[in-house]
Amino acid sequence: QKEVEQNSGPLSVPEGAIASLNCTYSDRGSQSFFWYRQYSGKSPELIMSIYSNGDQEDGRFTAQLNKASQYVSLLIRDSQPSDSATYLCAVIPFSGGYNKLIFGAGTRLAVHP
Amino acid sequence: KAGVTQTPRYLIKTRGQQVTLSCSPISGHRSVSWYQQTPGQGLQFLFEYFSETQRNKGNFPGRFSGRQFSNSRSEMNVSTLELGDSALYLCASSFPKQGVPYEQYFGPGTRLTVT
Repeated sequence: QKEVEQNSGPLSVPEGAIASLNCTYSDRGSQSFFWYRQYSGKSPELIMSIYSNGDQEDGRFTAQLNKASQYVSLLIRDSQPSDSATYLCAVIPFSGGYNKLIFGAGTRLAVHP
Repeated sequence: KAGVTQTPRYLIKTRGQQVTLSCSPISGHRSVSWYQQTPGQGLQFLFEYFSETQRNKGNFPGRFSGRQFSNSRSEMNVSTLELGDSALYLCASSFPKQGVPYEQYFGPGTRLTVT
């Protein structure tokens, strides 16, 4: 079992729709969760961090965390073609310590006009 | 505030050579982490430095090493390069703040090609 799992996609959504990206993790003691966006040929860009159960909103982005189910998700409202990128879920596992981010393989999102 | 900078941006080396990559963190950030990104393995943690000390290390062979200087700048070194070391090497810096879980900000990366 991989430590952080994501569907590779591509997830295709029409412009203006809600894109829902999901991630599960194996270390039940994990406390810190992040979503990064990576455009082709670029480095990852932090878009959301969450560490408490529930929802956290920032503009068009909402991160959701359910520690009991070991599940974290990212919703992108009013999706735009510029949102087309790979979205990486990252976790700092309880056993990892400090700044060791464990990444999922990423979900490729394609927003079509 | 300037972001994380990495030099060089691109590098071509031959098998058996060694290489040194450099990373300058965001001003005020004292933690620097290094990652390797390949199409097959994705993003993998190499090591993390804080106040010139390696606090954490990933599952990479001893050919991969690093260090951090007193100004928080960091270098990583790969000796005896292998074809499989071809990758994008990313540096990320962070400044742990109370209530903020170690948000890491990435530099543009160094694209290493080993021939």
